[in-house]
Amino acid sequence: EAQVTQNPRYLITVTGKKLTVTCSQNMNHEYMSWYRQDPGLGLRQIYYSMNVEVTDKGDVPEGYKVSRKEKRNFPLILESPSPNQTSLYFCASRVNTEAFFGQGTRLTVV
Amino acid sequence: LAKTTQPISMDSYEGQEVNITCSHNNIATNDYITWYQQFPSQGPRFIIQGYKTKVTNEVASLFIPADRKSSTLSLPRVSLSDTAVYYCLVALRGGNKLTFGTGTQLKVEL
Repeated sequence: EAQVTQNPRYLITVTGKKLTVTCSQNMNHEYMSWYRQDPGLGLRQIYYSMNVEVTDKGDVPEGYKVSRKEKRNFPLILESPSPNQTSLYFCASRVNTEAFFGQGTRLTVV
Repeated sequence: LAKTTQPISMDSYEGQEVNITCSHNNIATNDYITWYQQFPSQGPRFIIQGYKTKVTNEVASLFIPADRKSSTLSLPRVSLSDTAVYYCLVALRGGNKLTFGTGTQLKVEL
């Protein structure tokens, strides 16, 4: 089954404690991206990757890092999380304009 | 990137046909029109994509006039489970961004 898998689904952490949200896809898609979704602001793109070792900033990249060492994985790294990064995060892989989204990670930073 | 405009919300009843219109006056020649559906706390799900005229799949139909400045997503005989947010996007098929607006909240009642 074609899918995008994110982990963890839920995470509560403290300010400044580094964390990584993993994302894996099994469709051999070259394009992957991360979004955050906040009430009233919709889905905003954080980072995207057009292929292995190729990443670029989206609309709201501040406070985030990503890496793309292999095609299937695209982890999102928060080096020093802050409360304003409390949000619902989605990873997606894509072919043309058809994107496949993960189940989401609800992150709370206290 | 072309900006899209859609109604904020729509209400309907089970069994009715729902048409959601999206305006994209600045659509570029190579842009495709894509629609997504999102349920609360889930990632968006691809519904349909088109370039011009009409596209139909098992879920919906997409009508695009000749000038491509607008499009209409048609959902036949909606049910309660079609209550969701629907997003209209315009994007290059191999482009680096899928930009989601605020979408249309469809509410289906008995």
